[in-house]
Amino acid sequence: GDSVTQMEGPVTLSEEAFLTINCTYTATGYPSLFWYVQYPGEGLQLLLKATKADDKGSNKGFEATYRKETTSFHLEKGSVQVSDSAVYFCALNTNAGKSTFGDGTTLTVKP
Amino acid sequence: DGGITQSPKYLFRKEGQNVTLSCEQNLNHDAMYWYRQDPGQGLRLIYYSQIVNDFQKGDIAEGYSVSREKKESFPLTVTSAQKNPTAFYLCASSMAPTATGELFFGEGSRLTVL
Repeated sequence: GDSVTQMEGPVTLSEEAFLTINCTYTATGYPSLFWYVQYPGEGLQLLLKATKADDKGSNKGFEATYRKETTSFHLEKGSVQVSDSAVYFCALNTNAGKSTFGDGTTLTVKP
Repeated sequence: DGGITQSPKYLFRKEGQNVTLSCEQNLNHDAMYWYRQDPGQGLRLIYYSQIVNDFQKGDIAEGYSVSREKKESFPLTVTSAQKNPTAFYLCASSMAPTATGELFFGEGSRLTVL
């Protein structure tokens, strides 16, 4: 079946540091790939997405590129802020319309 | 504003009781989903519905039940058969059950069994 593997956390960074959260996937067919963010006590919200190979999703300074050859969708940000502290989930969605999520990576950014 | 409303935000249940979590959306989305989230784990799919009056079991449906009588509503009942119901429950919807559609989430309901 489909699966998503994320870099284990927690991740702690200083403000303005570079962020990478690794995500790899296994899926049949050609899934769309997503990063969602969850702030404490809230639901998830979409951060960015990519629907086909080599697409780059971007939002709020975050980027991720759909790499079919390595089945990866790593999340990056050049300079993190304290307000980026949250849990980040990588997910895929197939034509069946069901999303599969990774376990989430907790990011803490210290001033 | 359009969105998904879950209620209650916090719920306490005694062992042996059934409880129902409400999920309402005004986004005119066809598909709706229920996920369970446990600490340090990803989201696990309980049930989903792609159209009114139809729903399918997800990966962890045992001990749960749902209905989809209206497009905008998808309530989840946690029955006494669910052995470990304490968790954070998230309802989501999407425009259609296709691959490119993102999920829109409610703010969640936290259920605690006393």
